[in-house]
Amino acid sequence: AQSVTQPDIHITVSEGASLELRCNYSYGATPYLFWYVQSPGQGLQLLLKYFSGDTLVQGIKGFEAEFKRSQSSFNLRKPSVHWSDAAEYFCAVGEVFQAGTALIFGKGTTLSVSS
Amino acid sequence: NAGVTQTPKFRVLKTGQSMTLLCAQDMNHEYMYWYRQDPGMGLRLIHYSVGEGTTAKGEVPDGYNVSRLKKQNFLLGLESAAPSQTSVYFCASSGWDVKNIQYFGAGTRLSVL
Repeated sequence: AQSVTQPDIHITVSEGASLELRCNYSYGATPYLFWYVQSPGQGLQLLLKYFSGDTLVQGIKGFEAEFKRSQSSFNLRKPSVHWSDAAEYFCAVGEVFQAGTALIFGKGTTLSVSS
Repeated sequence: NAGVTQTPKFRVLKTGQSMTLLCAQDMNHEYMYWYRQDPGMGLRLIHYSVGEGTTAKGEVPDGYNVSRLKKQNFLLGLESAAPSQTSVYFCASSGWDVKNIQYFGAGTRLSVL
């Protein structure tokens, strides 16, 4: 079965510092990869996605992610974190089931931003 | 543009009671999903639907039933609620391809006492 691992449960970063959130996946074929963000009390919002082609993808809010097939990773980065980036971040892989398709999510990483 | 709307936003049930959560989308999406979110567990797929009148089980389907009588609506039912079903429930919708982005509702916070 496919799986997504986010090794860091909680990360604290100083405002203005750089950020990297880790994501590793287990998938037999070329994966479709996503990063979502969830602000407190809100639903999930798509940050960026990777389907094929350029392994460095740009997203909203200044985020980017790099797909590394050799490391089965899709890490999320931001050069300078803002206090409003404090949220929970989820990595996901698209999977084809017998009856259709769905997303498999990691358990999430909570980002705190200190001043 | 409402997107994905979930009702209710909050609900408290007693063990054994039943209830239905409603999800409505106005994007003409073929796929709809129900997830539950528990602390430290991320989102886990309960059931999903690939079109009107069709549903399928996800990772954690036990204790839940679903129906999709209309393309725009996806209902999640709890016939006899248990404390283990205390969770935040999210509905999502997407187009038919695995590449299609899933759009999420704001969630329903359910407590079962």
